[in-house]
Amino acid sequence: QQQVKQSPQSLIVQKGGISIINCAYENTAFDYFPWYQQFPGKGPALLIAIRPDVSEKKEGRFTISFNKSAKQFSLHIMDSQPGDSATYFCAAGNNNDMRFGAGTRLTVKP
Amino acid sequence: DAGITQSPRHKVTETGTPVTLRCHQTENHRYMYWYRQDPGHGLRLIHYSYGVKDTDKGEVSDGYSVSRSKTEDFLLTLESATSSQTSVYFCAVALDEYTQYFGPGTRLTVL
Repeated sequence: QQQVKQSPQSLIVQKGGISIINCAYENTAFDYFPWYQQFPGKGPALLIAIRPDVSEKKEGRFTISFNKSAKQFSLHIMDSQPGDSATYFCAAGNNNDMRFGAGTRLTVKP
Repeated sequence: DAGITQSPRHKVTETGTPVTLRCHQTENHRYMYWYRQDPGHGLRLIHYSYGVKDTDKGEVSDGYSVSRSKTEDFLLTLESATSSQTSVYFCAVALDEYTQYFGPGTRLTVL
């Protein structure tokens, strides 16, 4: 039973466009929602994270939008660049219990 | 990279043999984790540690054991490897229970 559902599985975006990846979670006890970026052959790297007391967090071109009532959160990548091409994972959890989505493979075409 | 190294980086072994993977950190993080990554499943927690000799099970702990005798080292052992344990294994560390930083991974193939 997957506690965090991520969509889409893959995404192709033109350079300069907006990439949007969505996640939904089930456990209302989760109170930490990070996004990770992973390049082939590397470990996941923490990109940005949010707590449920805010609805949006922005760091550079990356924004998390959080909807607590719907139990959904999303990652927006503005002005997407070819260097953003990677696999992105959302996660949700608390107290050492982190559950990950299945991942989205993003390709940004030049 | 949060000062994390994993060894070996690649290993091929046969069904039924014991395997130990090592995670070493240099920044004195309290929390350490072992995950496996499989296509379609994302990352799944195997075991974690919240201090020396303090460990607990994760989501997919069956067939795995761990030990932490020093702050800097967290070992994952497959007592008798099976083909279903073919995966990429990641170690992670954290200062608190939330913000995790991952190592480079170990690709394990069980034939």
